[in-house]
Amino acid sequence: GENVEQHPSTLSVQEGDSAVIKCTYSDSASNYFPWYKQELGKRPQLIIDIRSNVGEKKDQRIAVTLNKTAKHFSLHITETQPEDSAVYFCAARYNAGNMLTFGGGTRLMVKP
Amino acid sequence: DAGITQSPRHKVTETGTPVTLRCHQTENHRYMYWYRQDPGHGLRLIHYSYGVKDTDKGEVSDGYSVSRSKTEDFLLTLESATSSQTSVYFCAISSDGGTNEKLFFGSGTQLSVL
Repeated sequence: GENVEQHPSTLSVQEGDSAVIKCTYSDSASNYFPWYKQELGKRPQLIIDIRSNVGEKKDQRIAVTLNKTAKHFSLHITETQPEDSAVYFCAARYNAGNMLTFGGGTRLMVKP
Repeated sequence: DAGITQSPRHKVTETGTPVTLRCHQTENHRYMYWYRQDPGHGLRLIHYSYGVKDTDKGEVSDGYSVSRSKTEDFLLTLESATSSQTSVYFCAISSDGGTNEKLFFGSGTQLSVL
């Protein structure tokens, strides 16, 4: 089955700096890659997703890039703010109807 | 919160006792999911349902059963709870049919098995 590894497990940045979280996946046939944000004590929420036919997608300060050859995808957050502090999860899906496989999560701390 | 509620929010139980967690949705979505969240493991799928009385196993289904007698309710049962089932349990619904995209999660149930 699919295996998703996420790095780093913790990340601390200064407010205003950029943050990058990277995930690698094992199944080259995976075609959908979402990112979820989970604030402390809250539910995970989808923040951005990308499909395998797209190399990059942006939404304001967040962007996701996909490298199918290397089988990795990354979340980029620019101009970080304290409210970006949360745990971020990546995931991969082999095919519509297949389950999502999640990475282990990255705790991002943005220091004011 | 709109759309999906879980009960109870917190539960402490003893090893060997049965436990049932409830997920209730008001969105009339066909697909519902149960995940567990543990440090370092992200979210792992336990069971899912694609309609009334239609369920299937996820990647960590051992020790769990589910039932769906109505579209709006999806129950997760631990027949005989063990300490390894101490976890946070999230129910989710999908607005995009069975594609596993755009999952919307409930607020979670913190379960402690002593």
